[in-house]
Amino acid sequence: SQTIHQWPATLVQPVGSPLSLECTVEGTSNPNLYWYRQAAGRGLQLLFYSVGIGQISSEVPQNLSASRPQDRQFILSSKKLLLSDSGFYLCAWDIGTGGTETQYFGPGTRLLVL
Amino acid sequence: GQQVMQIPQYQHVQEGEDFTTYCNSSTTLSNIQWYKQRPGGHPVFLIQLVKSGEVKKQKRLTFQFGEAKKNSSLHITATQTTDVGTYFCAAPYGNNRLAFGKGNQVVVIP
Repeated sequence: SQTIHQWPATLVQPVGSPLSLECTVEGTSNPNLYWYRQAAGRGLQLLFYSVGIGQISSEVPQNLSASRPQDRQFILSSKKLLLSDSGFYLCAWDIGTGGTETQYFGPGTRLLVL
Repeated sequence: GQQVMQIPQYQHVQEGEDFTTYCNSSTTLSNIQWYKQRPGGHPVFLIQLVKSGEVKKQKRLTFQFGEAKKNSSLHITATQTTDVGTYFCAAPYGNNRLAFGKGNQVVVIP
């Protein structure tokens, strides 16, 4: 069966520090991968998505970047965190034509920037 | 891009009562998906509706897709404390993307 992992689960970082969040998927090949951010009590904002290794699409201009070095690995990074980067970061995957299939979410990383 | 609007954003529901949450779009949707996020958790897929006028049931949950495929609803009967959480609808747009509504946060009053 397929599983999706995210780490760390919780992170407290000072403003200006770098960030690296990792997401890995097991049990499937060639998944579409997504990074979402959810502010407290709010909806899901799509940050990046990837349909293959090295292929990254950015939804909104921001202080973050994403990379997909391996088929089932998706990394979210920042060189210098801002206070506004605080939130709940969710990685998700689906297969086939993205948007038409079920998306499966990881457990998420709660990031607090102080 | 594609937008789906959810109403209401918040609901307080007495345990045992029924409630409905709605999802609307200004454009015709190819499909609509519903997810539930428990407090402190991550969104979990509930169902996908594809056909015009489609109705699907999962125990106390009834999902409906409008005839024009521009709106959808989720109706829960005999609310239980386990129904607490945020319910999201989502619809595909562009290539490889799902647009999520802002969610309906449901609080159950015992």
